[in-house]
Amino acid sequence: GENVEQHPSTLSVQEGDSAVIKCTYSDSASNYFPWYKQELGKRPQLIIDIRSNVGEKKDQRIAVTLNKTAKHFSLHITETQPEDSAVYFCAASAGRRALTFGSGTRLQVQP
Amino acid sequence: GAGVSQSPSNKVTEKGKDVELRCDPISGHTALYWYRQSLGQGLEFLIYFQGNSAPDKSGLPSDRFSAERTGGSVSTLTIQRTQQEDSAVYLCASSFVRGGTGELFFGEGSRLTVL
Repeated sequence: GENVEQHPSTLSVQEGDSAVIKCTYSDSASNYFPWYKQELGKRPQLIIDIRSNVGEKKDQRIAVTLNKTAKHFSLHITETQPEDSAVYFCAASAGRRALTFGSGTRLQVQP
Repeated sequence: GAGVSQSPSNKVTEKGKDVELRCDPISGHTALYWYRQSLGQGLEFLIYFQGNSAPDKSGLPSDRFSAERTGGSVSTLTIQRTQQEDSAVYLCASSFVRGGTGELFFGEGSRLTVL
């Protein structure tokens, strides 16, 4: 089955700096790569996703890049704000198969 | 409501007892997932239902865990002879799958504490 590894496990940045979270996956058939944000005590929510027919996708301050050859994808958050503090999960799936999540990155944005 | 509904929100049980957790997905969603999240940890996949296909049970940690989805809608996760290590938040999610995986909508979770 799919195995998704995520780094780093914790990340602390100053407000206004950029944050980058990286994930690798094992199943070359995977073609869907979403990112979820989980605030303290809340449920995970989708923030951005990318499919394997594109290499990069942006939505305001967040972007995701995908390298299918190397089987890795990354989340980039620019101009970080305190409200970006949360746990971020990457995930991968192939076709209609189950979504496998990474272990999560706890991002703390220091004001 | 229009979201994924889970019950109970909190369950405290004694070691060795059986528990049932319920998930009511968003109407029309064909896929339903169960995940387990221990305190401060990641999302551990348990089981996945997609339409009329056989469920993917590859994440169930032992034969004490089982789940069913009746009529393509409501799902029940059953844990028999609970152990203390079963203590966690059990999250249900549903999605609409057309061609490929869609956005997962999570419920608030059921927090299980095994004494």
